[in-house]
Amino acid sequence: EAGVAQSPRYKIIEKRQSVAFWCNPISGHATLYWYQQILGQGPKLLIQFQNNGVVDDSQLPKDRFSAERLKGVDSTLKIQPAKLEDSAVYLCASSLNRRREGANEKLFFGSGTQLSVL
Amino acid sequence: AQSVTQPDIHITVSEGASLELRCNYSYGATPYLFWYVQSPGQGLQLLLKYFSGDTLVQGIKGFEAEFKRSQSSFNLRKPSVHWSDAAEYFCAVAPPGVGTASKLTFGTGTRLQVTL
Repeated sequence: EAGVAQSPRYKIIEKRQSVAFWCNPISGHATLYWYQQILGQGPKLLIQFQNNGVVDDSQLPKDRFSAERLKGVDSTLKIQPAKLEDSAVYLCASSLNRRREGANEKLFFGSGTQLSVL
Repeated sequence: AQSVTQPDIHITVSEGASLELRCNYSYGATPYLFWYVQSPGQGLQLLLKYFSGDTLVQGIKGFEAEFKRSQSSFNLRKPSVHWSDAAEYFCAVAPPGVGTASKLTFGTGTRLQVTL
């Protein structure tokens, strides 16, 4: 079974530039998450999708971050414009179905995109 | 608000030695508790979780964790460490209830180094 795919693996940009990350979840997984992991910290949830609808984006800095999952499959996360403090690893995770699995929901994580903002 | 503290930023153990990684949480009631492992260049993988019941939980790769309500702790243990266990370990909490896996609060992690 293929895991959660993310690209690119690394990205280096200058501040004020734009950047986009792509995630392809495990086939059939309805729930998709984006996390931000700053060096020395644990991952922090940015946004959660159930199919193509947003469930929780309360911690997404909406002035510069946006995310979409138009067809309920793959997803993109965009930062525009980037700031120095956005340097982090951006992790995508998916689960079969948050609503059906309930407390036994199991998250599968991709290997992440490491972003460096100079 | 829930929070997690992992007091040890970095731990080094010899291969074959026992391991204990500490985790303390702050929450009004008993939360759901998790341990994840992140190998270099990899995503997080769930080692084990505690919801209720038996306070000693078994996980994958020979890991176990013990929930101690009186100490608000959920320490991870392994009797004999292998070199392949070198990784970063994250403790996480979530409020009890349906669909709470997305409400994880992670600790800052403990990096485990294994010497041969």
